[in-house]
This record gives sequence, C-alpha cells and structure tokens, in this order.
Amino acid sequence: QKEVEQNSGPLSVPEGAIASLNCTYSDRVSQSFFWYRQYSGKSPELIMSIYSNGDKEDGRFTAQLNKASQYVSLLIRDSQPSDSATYLCAVNMGTGRRALTFGSGTRLQVQP
Amino acid sequence: DTEVTQTPKHLVMGMTNKKSLKCEQHMGHRAMYWYKQKAKKPPELMFVYSYEKLSINESVPSRFSPECPNSSLLNLHLHALQPEDSALYLCASSSGLAGGEQFFGPGTRLTVL
Repeated sequence: QKEVEQNSGPLSVPEGAIASLNCTYSDRVSQSFFWYRQYSGKSPELIMSIYSNGDKEDGRFTAQLNKASQYVSLLIRDSQPSDSATYLCAVNMGTGRRALTFGSGTRLQVQP
Repeated sequence: DTEVTQTPKHLVMGMTNKKSLKCEQHMGHRAMYWYKQKAKKPPELMFVYSYEKLSINESVPSRFSPECPNSSLLNLHLHALQPEDSALYLCASSSGLAGGEQFFGPGTRLTVL
C-alpha cells in the first residue's frame, strides 16, 4: 500500500465550479499535511498547510483534515483556468523525519 | 521573503563531466533538502541537511555528493552521471522544526547525454 494516495485524474471541472481533491495516508501518527500546486515544467508551490482536524480556509482554497479517517482534501472554489495544474498532497509522517512523503498528484483541468 | 534560489536553471552534461548545482535561501531556515523529480512523478527525496549536518541520505548513488557549506547554502556535486539521471532537481528549505512547511526553489533541469 502506498503511504500517500491520490487519484491521478485528470479531474475536469468547468470554470466557476468547485474542484475537490482528495488524499489518503497510511501512517496514523502523521502530524503535518500540505498541498502543493505544480504547473507543468515548474517547481511545487505550497498553497495550504493544515495540522489539526477540521477546515482551514485561505481565499478560494479550503483544506480539510480528518485524522480518524486518515484523509485530507483540498477544495478550490470558483475554479479558474489558471488553477489547471497538478496538485500534490504531502504528509510529514510522525517519525520525526524532517521529510515529506508525496502522493503521486492529481491533475486538475478547469474548462473555460 | 519565502524565496529559495537555484543555479543554474538548465544544465547539459556528458557522462564524464563534473558539475555542481547550487541552492541558497535567506529565510533563516535550518533544514535544506534535495529532491529529484522525473516527468509526471512526484518529487523523490534524495538528501536532508538539518543544522548543516547530513541527516538523511535516501540511498542515493555516490555519483551524487551533497555539501552544506553554511546554513544558507546547499550544493549538489555531480560526477559520472548516467542518462537516466536526467530530471528536475529541486532544492527546498524549512525552518528545521519537525513537520514544518517546505519551500521549493525553481529547480535545475538536468540533461545527461
């Protein structure tokens, strides 16, 4: 079983819709969770971090964490064509390692 | 300033060449990382430096040699690489606290001929 799992997509949504991206992880003691956006040919850009159960909102982005179910999600409201990218879920496993475990990424396509 | 810089942006080298990748951050971060990313794959951790000491080496071949001259700088020395080493090499930094946010540089696109 992969440690961090994401649906590879592509996830296609129309402009203005809500895009919902999901991620599950295997290590129950994981403490820190991150969403990165990566445009083709560019480096990952941190867009959200979440550490405790519940929702965290930042502009059009909402991260949701449920540690009991071991999933973290990212909602993008009012999706724009410029949101089209690969979204990487990253988890800092609870082993004290200062390193992230990445999911394989979900490719999002926002249709104008 | 959440900026990590990397040089060069692009590098083409032969299998017998020796080259170095450079990374710099001025955020006062105490942990720095090298990742390798192949097309359509997630970043793959290579090395972690914590407080200027190598703390993680993910069984990387010795043709890759990391160096951390000080808390702001990270180098990756390359020697006798193979064509399959062609990839995007990413540097990242974080505060050094376990679980802290990591910020990536723009990467170096490496091609080995």
